[in-house]
Amino acid sequence: ETGVTQSPTHLIKTRGQQVTLRCSSQSGHNTVSWYQQALGQGPQFIFQYYREEENGRGNFPPRFSGLQFPNYSSELNVNALELDDSALYLCASSRFEVRSYEQYFGPGTRLTVT
Amino acid sequence: ELKVEQNPLFLSMQEGKNYTIYCNYSTTSDRLYWYRQDPGKSLESLFVLLSNGAVKQEGRLMASLDTKARLSTLHITAAVHDLSATYFCAVVPTGNQFYFGTGTSLTVIP
Repeated sequence: ETGVTQSPTHLIKTRGQQVTLRCSSQSGHNTVSWYQQALGQGPQFIFQYYREEENGRGNFPPRFSGLQFPNYSSELNVNALELDDSALYLCASSRFEVRSYEQYFGPGTRLTVT
Repeated sequence: ELKVEQNPLFLSMQEGKNYTIYCNYSTTSDRLYWYRQDPGKSLESLFVLLSNGAVKQEGRLMASLDTKARLSTLHITAAVHDLSATYFCAVVPTGNQFYFGTGTSLTVIP
């Protein structure tokens, strides 16, 4: 069974640039959620994708967008990067139909905006 | 505004001692999750609590859920150094959005 993978591991961008982060879900999972974790804080929900559509969104501006592909992998895109976007970005996969709705997290992408 | 608060935020305890971490939340949720995070690493699922009164144990950790009090506890028995990490609780009040607590940073001292 393949776990959740994310790429890249680390990324340095300049304010105003755009970034794309990628996530491959665990085998058998059809739902991907994205989280932003600032240093010293708990993860904050950005959005979730199920069946290639956004299925819930947290309190993040529209410059945070995403995609889910037919193989259930996902992308997180952030436009017009700001310094406060520096954080660990985590994706988590799950099976939507399972009541426990347990999420399995990937290793994360550390984004630094300078 | 939904709040998920953990108590304490920082915990330093000696090996062999017992302690409890508390997770209070401000809205109804019939599910609660506990995760562990090592420095610079991702989150590891520890427990999924799905009903009022649920209790789960794994090794030196035991978690419980009281949905009426909106309280979960994570009890540590006879702490060892390997338990040093940050522990998060998370609730899912509606739909699919996880709300994480503030985290409890645990350091176990020899």
